[in-house]
Order: sequence, then C-alpha cells, then structure tokens
Amino acid sequence: GENVEQHPSTLSVQEGDSAVIKCTYSDSASNYFPWYKQELGKRPQLIIDIRSNVGEKKDQRIAVTLNKTAKHFSLHITETQPEDSAVYFCAASGNKFYFGSGTKLNVKP
Amino acid sequence: DTAVSQTPKYLVTQMGNDKSIKCEQNLGHDTMYWYKQDSKKFLKIMFSYNNKELIINETVPNRFSPKSPDKAHLNLHINSLELGDSAVYFCASSQGLAGNQPQHFGDGTRLSIL
Repeated sequence: GENVEQHPSTLSVQEGDSAVIKCTYSDSASNYFPWYKQELGKRPQLIIDIRSNVGEKKDQRIAVTLNKTAKHFSLHITETQPEDSAVYFCAASGNKFYFGSGTKLNVKP
Repeated sequence: DTAVSQTPKYLVTQMGNDKSIKCEQNLGHDTMYWYKQDSKKFLKIMFSYNNKELIINETVPNRFSPKSPDKAHLNLHINSLELGDSAVYFCASSQGLAGNQPQHFGDGTRLSIL
C-alpha cells in the first residue's frame, strides 16, 4: 500500500516569512495530491490540490509543487499570517486516500 | 446548509457502554468515510462506503460496525467501549468511487471514555 511521509512535524516561522512543508509517497499509481488545513478544534478543510498531470499550482499565497519522478510534493505558503497557524496534512491518492502525519505550523506575530 | 453533519458533537461515556455516531451528507456524493484522529492528530481511515456498500475496512476491531442505510448516511456503532477508543471521529464524503476527488469532512465527534 501507499506510504506518505510528511516533514517537518512542527514548523515555527515569523509573520511575513515563507513556510514549506514536504511530503513523499511510495505508490507510483497515486495521481491526486490534496492538502488540508485543520485549525484547533475544527475539521480538516481542503486548501489546495494538484493532479499528476501538472507540476505546480498556485492560489494566492499558497502553492503546491509536484515531482512525480522523485515522488514528492510540497506546500509553500508565502507572507505567512498568524491565521495560517494550524495543522496541515498532505495526502496521496490513487484508489485510496493516504494522509501524512501532519505539520503543526505556528506563525509568530 | 451544512454539507457533512455528524451528531453528537461530544460524547462522554463509561467503559463498556455501546454508543452510536450519525453522519449525513447533502452533497450528493457517492462515497462516505469514517476516520479516527487520536491525540497525536494522526488521521486514520477506518471505513469507506460507496453507494451503501463497504469498500474499505482497515484493521479496526469488530466492536466497530458501520451502517449505511442509503448513500447519504453512514453511521458508526461502537460496542463495549474501551479507554483507547477516546478520540475525535470524523465523517467525510467524496464524489465517485476512486480516491481522486476531494474529501469533505464533518465537524467531528469528540468521544471521551471515562
């Protein structure tokens, strides 16, 4: 089955700096890679996703890159704000969803 | 107009009891899921149903029994609750059978076993 590894487990940045979270996956059949944000006490919410036929996708301050050859994908958040503080999950999916272990992002004002 | 709604939001009960959590989605999705999120925040899939049929059953004790009366509902019944069952349980839904569509999560049910 798929194995999704996510790093780092915690990330602390100063407001205005960039944050990068990286994930690797093992199953070459995976073709869908979503990212979820979970605020404290809330449900995970989709923030951006990418499919295997593209290498990069951007939505305002967030972007995701995918390297299918190396089997890794990353989430980039620019100009971080305190409200970006949350746990972020990557996932890789072919026929089944496999979530990474999460990254707790803390943006210090 | 909540898309995926689950009840109750909080459930506090004693070891050995039996309890149920209900989930309903109004998105017209074909597939529904139950996830368990422990204190370390790992999101672990438990079950997946597509059009009322079980398609994923991860290594979950048989004290957990999902039931899907129709494709808009997926309920979770837990027998003989144990301390280790304390967690937040999330229901989710997605379109289609393959896993290449976004999953929409409910607000979670926080289960605490005394």
